[in-house]
Amino acid sequence: GENVEQHPSTLSVQEGDSAVIKCTYSDSASNYFPWYKQELGKGPQLIIDIRSNVGEKKDQRIAVTLNKTAKHFSLHITETQPEDSAVYFCAARASGGSYIPTFGRGTSLIVHP
Amino acid sequence: GAGVSQSPRYKVAKRGQDVALRCDPISGHVSLFWYQQALGQGPEFLTYFQNEAQLDKSGLPSDRFFAERPEGSVSTLKIQRTQQEDSAVYLCASSHRDSGSPRSYNEQFFGPGTRLTVL
Repeated sequence: GENVEQHPSTLSVQEGDSAVIKCTYSDSASNYFPWYKQELGKGPQLIIDIRSNVGEKKDQRIAVTLNKTAKHFSLHITETQPEDSAVYFCAARASGGSYIPTFGRGTSLIVHP
Repeated sequence: GAGVSQSPRYKVAKRGQDVALRCDPISGHVSLFWYQQALGQGPEFLTYFQNEAQLDKSGLPSDRFFAERPEGSVSTLKIQRTQQEDSAVYLCASSHRDSGSPRSYNEQFFGPGTRLTVL
C-alpha cells in the first residue's frame, strides 16, 4: 500500500516568513495529492491540491509543487500570518486498487506575531 | 449550506461499553468515509460508502467496529466492547460523486469529528 512521509513534524516561523512542508510517497500509481489544514477542534479542510499531470499550482499565498520522478511534493506558504497556525496534512491517492487517500502524520505550524 | 455534522462531539465510555457515532453528510453527497485519527497522527481510513453500499471496509481494525448507512444519507459507526486503544477522534467525510472512480478527484468535506475517550 501507499506510504506517505511528512516533514517536519513541527515548524515555527515568524510572521511574514515563508513556511515549507515536504512529503514523500511510495506508490508511483498515486495521481492526486491534496493538502489539508486542521484547526483545533475541527476536521481537516482542503486548502490546495495537485494532480500528477501538473508540476506546480499556486493559490494566493500558498503553492504546491510535485516531483513525480522523486515522488515528493511540497507545500509553500509565503507571508505567513498568525491565522495560518494549524496542523497541515499532506495526502496521496493511488489510482489503482484503492482510491482512499493516505495521509501524512501532520505538521504543526506555529506562526509567531 | 450546512456542512458535515457529527454527533456527539465528545463521548466518554467505560471499557467494555458499546458506542454509536453519527454522521450527517452534506445533502446529496454520494460518498461517505469514516476515518480514525489518533492523537498527533493523520486520519486513517476505516470504511467507505457509496450511497447505502459499503464498498470498502478494509480499514476497520476489528470485528468490534461496524458501520452502516441504510438509506444512503446518515451513517452510524458502532464500536462494540470498547477498549482503551479505541480512544481517538473519529472523522466523517463526504463527497459529491463517486470517489471510487480513478478519474474522480472530488473534494472530501470533513466533519468536526467525535472525540472518543475510553476509560
